Amino acid sequence: SQTIHQWPATLVQPVGSPLSLECTVEGTSNPNLYWYRQAAGRGLQLLFYSVGIGQISSEVPQNLSASRPQDRQFILSSKKLLLSDSGFYLCAWSFGPRGYTFGSGTRLTVV
Amino acid sequence: RKEVEQDPGPFNVPEGATVAFNCTYSNSASQSFFWYRQDCRKEPKLLMSVYSSGNEDGRFTAQLNRASQYISLLIRDSKLSDSATYLCVVSTSGTYKYIFGTGTRLKVLA
Repeated sequence: SQTIHQWPATLVQPVGSPLSLECTVEGTSNPNLYWYRQAAGRGLQLLFYSVGIGQISSEVPQNLSASRPQDRQFILSSKKLLLSDSGFYLCAWSFGPRGYTFGSGTRLTVV
Repeated sequence: RKEVEQDPGPFNVPEGATVAFNCTYSNSASQSFFWYRQDCRKEPKLLMSVYSSGNEDGRFTAQLNRASQYISLLIRDSKLSDSATYLCVVSTSGTYKYIFGTGTRLKVLA
């Protein structure tokens, strides 16, 4: 069966510090991978998606970036965090039109 | 106009009640529809897909109205454990993206 792992679960980072969140998927090949952010009391905002290794599409201009160095690995990064980057970051995978499966999320607080 | 719109609620209902949520979408080319459930401070989880002919899963019934561009979720015999936020999700054929509504919050009261 397919599983998705996302870590860390919580993170507190100072403004201006770098960020690296990692997501890996097991039990499937060539999944579509996604990064979403959910700000407090808000809806899910699609940040990046990837349909293959090295293929990244950005949905929202921001100081975040994403990379997919391996088929089942998706990384979200920032060189310098802003206060507005705080939120609940969710990685998800899909295979065809069957909906998403989400990781357990990372709750990021920038202080 | 937002691509997917939901009434944010909250809907406060007593145990055993029947409650219905609607969701409207703006893109008439949308092809795939889902309802997700999100518990507080947790990730969203797929509740059910929504099929053109409507579908049922236990106490949950989903309907699609393409002409009016809305989908609905009916919950019968509400349980305390149904308290959560329900997210409407829409995808357009040929894209890899799923668009989420902001969710409808349900509180089932004892």
